[in-house]
Amino acid sequence: GENVEQHPSTLSVQEGDSAVIKCTYSDSASNYFPWYKQELGKRPQLIIDIRSNVGEKKDQRIAVTLNKTAKHFSLHITETQPEDSAVYFCALWPRAGTALIFGKGTTLSVSS
Amino acid sequence: EAGVAQSPRYKIIEKRQSVAFWCNPISGHATLYWYQQILGQGPKLLIQFQNNGVVDDSQLPKDRFSAERLKGVDSTLKIQPAKLEDSAVYLCASSLDGRRGSFFGQGTRLTVV
Repeated sequence: GENVEQHPSTLSVQEGDSAVIKCTYSDSASNYFPWYKQELGKRPQLIIDIRSNVGEKKDQRIAVTLNKTAKHFSLHITETQPEDSAVYFCALWPRAGTALIFGKGTTLSVSS
Repeated sequence: EAGVAQSPRYKIIEKRQSVAFWCNPISGHATLYWYQQILGQGPKLLIQFQNNGVVDDSQLPKDRFSAERLKGVDSTLKIQPAKLEDSAVYLCASSLDGRRGSFFGQGTRLTVV
């Protein structure tokens, strides 16, 4: 079945720096790619998503880029703040009617 | 808009005991999912419902896990008997039409001792 690889598993940055998390996948039929943020002890929350007909999407300090040819998509966080510290999961929707498949997560730590 | 509701938030049981979790999805959401999230990993799908029918239960350990969604709204997930490796957070999620991102409940943290 479809699999999604997420890197890095941990990421430490200084406040104000940028952070980039990358995910790769194998099934070219995948066409929906959301990113979730999960703070300690809380539910995963959808922060941004992108569909396969779009190459980039921005929402304030976060952006997602998609390269369908190379089968990878990335989350970019600019001007990081301590409250960005959390575990970030990429996910993808393999095909119509199926559930999301999640990466293993990236623990982002932003130090002030 | 009310979110996905789950109960209980925490549960500690001994191995071989049974346990049940409850989920109430966002009103009008036809698709409901149960995920298992083991510490340090991403959520893994256990079962997906579309209204009150099962769409995918291929990763549900059916010898011990069962789930139902009567009347296409609330859902319950049961484990009987529990094993130590079932210790995890059980997340319920719902989606309007299964075509985009799911919305998660707070989860039930299960500890099997």
